[in-house]
Amino acid sequence: GAVVSQHPSWVICKSGTSVKIECRSLDFQATTMFWYRQFPKQSLMLMATSNEGSKATYEQGVEKDKFLINHASLTLSTLTVTSAHPEDSSFYICSAGGGGLWNEQFFGPGTRLTVL
Amino acid sequence: GEDVEQSLFLSVREGDSSVINCTYTDSSSTYLYWYKQEPGAGLQLLTYIFSNMDMKQDQRLTVLLNKKDKHLSLRIADTQTGDSAIYFCAESWGGYSTLTFGKGTMLLVSP
Repeated sequence: GAVVSQHPSWVICKSGTSVKIECRSLDFQATTMFWYRQFPKQSLMLMATSNEGSKATYEQGVEKDKFLINHASLTLSTLTVTSAHPEDSSFYICSAGGGGLWNEQFFGPGTRLTVL
Repeated sequence: GEDVEQSLFLSVREGDSSVINCTYTDSSSTYLYWYKQEPGAGLQLLTYIFSNMDMKQDQRLTVLLNKKDKHLSLRIADTQTGDSAIYFCAESWGGYSTLTFGKGTMLLVSP
């Protein structure tokens, strides 16, 4: 199946700093990428949907200015958590769809963010 | 709104069959999925079923869909300790449309 990578796999940062998480589709062109957030023992909550070359569509309650999403190419999307605070600590997972694989989303391995 | 419900926990012995159940509310869902998540990892698609199907079998996995009752189940035959994980069911309209996930069922397989 298609492979999606995320970098970094885990990150620890100080409160007030910004953190960038990358999501890459390694062997297909991802027309659409999704960003999810998962709290411990909880389900995945969709944060935003991004299409290459256009602005991301954010879910209700997700702050656009805090979670900046850029989908600059068909193989890369980035999520930047700006001015991170401890309550932003979570597991962030991206998924990607496209390249003719129209009925599947392929998930990255996730990034564990801990804000001190 | 859309909602997907799952039981939270299932414990079985190695070699037994496991059945994980899911109910959903969106009758317009086109695709229904089962994902597996191991600790600290992303989601792995196990299988999916199109809404006009009743059953799909893939090796040890059997998916049953009762569209009338909006009930989906995943049966794992000959469950192994390596099957221990959290299993999520999800629904979507297909294509690149949004996936709506259940809260996940933790499957614990004991030797």
